[in-house]
Amino acid sequence: AQSVSQHNHHVILSEAASLELGCNYSYGGTVNLFWYVQYPGQHLQLLLKYFSGDPLVKGIKGFEAEFIKSKFSFNLRKPSVQWSDTAEYFCAVISSASKIIFGSGTRLSIRP
Amino acid sequence: DVKVTQSSRYLVKRTGEKVFLECVQDMDHENMFWYRQDPGLGLRLIYFSYDVKMKEKGDIPEGYSVSREKKERFSLILESASTNQTSMYLCASSLRDISYEQYFGPGTRLTVT
Repeated sequence: AQSVSQHNHHVILSEAASLELGCNYSYGGTVNLFWYVQYPGQHLQLLLKYFSGDPLVKGIKGFEAEFIKSKFSFNLRKPSVQWSDTAEYFCAVISSASKIIFGSGTRLSIRP
Repeated sequence: DVKVTQSSRYLVKRTGEKVFLECVQDMDHENMFWYRQDPGLGLRLIYFSYDVKMKEKGDIPEGYSVSREKKERFSLILESASTNQTSMYLCASSLRDISYEQYFGPGTRLTVT
């Protein structure tokens, strides 16, 4: 069955540290990949997405993600985090069968 | 600017009650979705609708039904609420192609006692 794994459930970093959140999916066909973010008390919103083309995707607020097809991964990165990046991050995959699956989420806490 | 609104932010109901959660979007989106969000489980799709009066089951439809009589409104119905349906419920909408970004509402935190 199709699945999305986010192995880091809670990540704690200091400001200015680099961030990488893992996302792996299980589906052999064409996929569209997303990262959504939920800041405390706010709606879920799109951070970035990959449909095709350059596997390195840049999103809002300095985030980027790299699609590595051979590893079935779409990891989220940011070179230097800020306190305002404290949020929960969700990876999502849409397969060519038009089925959307969200990961379990990663809670990111940033120490000022 | 897309806006998805949900009828209540917080709701407390008793076991066995019939519960209606309403969602309205103002961007003329074809697709609408209902998810529940639980700690450690992420978002799980309950139902989605790709047109008026059309619906498809998601991953966890048991105990829920939906109604879409108008394009802008999508209702989630708990026929007989149970304590294991205590959760955060999120509504979302998107354009017809499911590959497009989904826009989420603020969520309804439902407690069933």
